[in-house]
Amino acid sequence: ETGVTQTPRHLVMGMTNKKSLKCEQHLGHNAMYWYKQSAKKPLELMFVYSLEERVENNSVPSRFSPECPNSSHLFLHLHTLQPEDSALYLCASSQDLARVSRKDTQYFGPGTRLTVL
Amino acid sequence: ELKVEQNPLFLSMQEGKNYTIYCNYSTTSDRLYWYRQDPGKSLESLFVLLSNGAVKQEGRLMASLDTKARLSTLHITAAVHDLSATYFCAGSPSNTGKLIFGQGTTLQVKP
Repeated sequence: ETGVTQTPRHLVMGMTNKKSLKCEQHLGHNAMYWYKQSAKKPLELMFVYSLEERVENNSVPSRFSPECPNSSHLFLHLHTLQPEDSALYLCASSQDLARVSRKDTQYFGPGTRLTVL
Repeated sequence: ELKVEQNPLFLSMQEGKNYTIYCNYSTTSDRLYWYRQDPGKSLESLFVLLSNGAVKQEGRLMASLDTKARLSTLHITAAVHDLSATYFCAGSPSNTGKLIFGQGTTLQVKP
């Protein structure tokens, strides 16, 4: 596997379920991100991890709980979600948080399409 | 707080025509990114613009950055159907590594 992978690709869950999304990057990057993409809103940054430490929590409800056990893996634990949480959840990684001196970008995974019933 | 706005949000054009997508941002941004997203797919990085006056070209797409006007443009030359996708620009607040995305511009190129 190369690049950024996410599992599962599709997930349907009830409001009382607990599930987890998994992201793995094979690029040797130090920073990882969770984004939410809803149908009628711009991509929203949820969480940022750098060297396994959370550096950003963008006012995300506590029903979303991230975990970064090592620099290659990122999880998003979900519990008691609401129907409005249905969206495409994208994981991304970059070499570091900020590298102004040279071209750098975030590499995105294919996403998990989440439906909350 | 950085805000990024794109226009138009939807663009339908004929093959062979030229057009420009505009991306305005509200405060200082370290750099400006352009991404492409095909339906049901993830985001693919197109360009990273680092400084005022930067211009990058790849095939029929050319991106430029004017930091004084806080404006980036993505120019499409002689569009082809394969360019149909949604294009996002994103800014990055200084030294944060965060990306703040615009709403996206859905481009439909008709034969």
